[in-house]
Order: sequence, then structure tokens, then C-alpha cells
Amino acid sequence: GAGVSQTPSNKVTEKGKYVELRCDPISGHTALYWYRQSLGQGPEFLIYFQGTGAADDSGLPNDRFFAVRPEGSVSTLKIQRTERGDSAVYLCASSPKRSSYNEQFFGPGTRLTVL
Amino acid sequence: DAKTTQPNSMESNEEEPVHLPCNHSTISGTDYIHWYRQLPSQGPEYVIHGLTSNVNNRMASLAIAEDRKSSTLILHRATLRDAAVYYCIPLSGNTPLVFGKGTRLSVIA
Repeated sequence: GAGVSQTPSNKVTEKGKYVELRCDPISGHTALYWYRQSLGQGPEFLIYFQGTGAADDSGLPNDRFFAVRPEGSVSTLKIQRTERGDSAVYLCASSPKRSSYNEQFFGPGTRLTVL
Repeated sequence: DAKTTQPNSMESNEEEPVHLPCNHSTISGTDYIHWYRQLPSQGPEYVIHGLTSNVNNRMASLAIAEDRKSSTLILHRATLRDAAVYYCIPLSGNTPLVFGKGTRLSVIA
């Protein structure tokens, strides 16, 4: 079946611009996660949705980052006034529900480059 | 969050078994031990998880120490496609995945 998809696969933008990154989770998965991964590091948690609501946004680095999931399926990560330090691979994952027992299924990521 | 310690890198010959260790001495009693791996240019993928008993699935085996302070991921016959970064992640109910730097496994043909 279809896995988690993310668009675009690559995004190049200029410092100060606004970007949106999209995640399509596996159908029926209620939990959705965003992570970002800098070169040579493991993924770092950003935000988690259970259904439509953000259950944990403790990983968002500052108020330039915002994410929505209005219908409990597709999610969009929005970054305002991008900075060069935002350059990373942004990963999305989904899971049937949030618990210790369920695996998270990751998408291929969006590589964001801020010039 | 439980702190984990893994070797930065390991190397294996193709077709041989690989034992990837992880120390998680501060693990809590409710934490499951999850292993994920990340192949080059891909998102992480789930490998296996367990609580106390050793676990087997089609990808690997997980051996958990009796005191749960360490675990070992076992790939029974390494292939070139197993070359990846392997992450050991203690995880309980309402916490996100916390990735360390993992172990980079190289497989030599």
C-alpha cells in the first residue's frame, strides 16, 4: 500500500522567505509526527498530532515554525522568515495511534536549503 | 529521556552475523526498547522492539539484558542492503522518538 509521502522532495529558498512542507500520512493513521534532521545528526522531534490537534509541540524551535492538520490527515509544516540554520531534511512519520507499541512509518523527507 | 550509548560505527562482512550493542542504563521500567534504521537518503524505518524478553522478527532479533540496561540488535546474515545507521530508542507511552547519533553499519562484500 501507499506509504507516507512528502512534497516537495527538495526546496531551495532564500533567507527571509516563507515555505510550506506537506505530509500525506498513511490512510487511517491518527498520529502524525514532524522531525528534522541536520547533516550527521539523528532526527530531532518537532511536533506531534493526534487527529487534528497538536498534542505536543515542545520540539518547535521558535514561533517561526507552525504546523497544521485541519482534517486529521494531511499536515503542513510552515516556516516563516526562513534562516540559513533552518536548512535540514524535514521528516514526517505517521502511526496508527500514539503508544510505545506502534511503529512510526517515515516518509522520504523534504530537503530544505535556505540560501 | 533515557540516555543511550552506541558505538559510532561498525563493520561487517556480507553474509556474517552482526551484533549491534546499545547501553541504556537509565531506562525506566515502562520503556520499550525500539530499534530503527536509516538507509542512505531515506527516512528511518522500524526494525524491532521489545520490553523484557528477547524478540525475533523477519528483519532481526533483539536480545535484552536481564537488568534491561543494555540490548543487542542481531542481524543474522548481513547483506549490502543492511548498510545503514541503526538507532536504539527507549520509548514509553506519551513521548516522541528521541534519536541519538546511532551506529553506522558498513557491510563489506
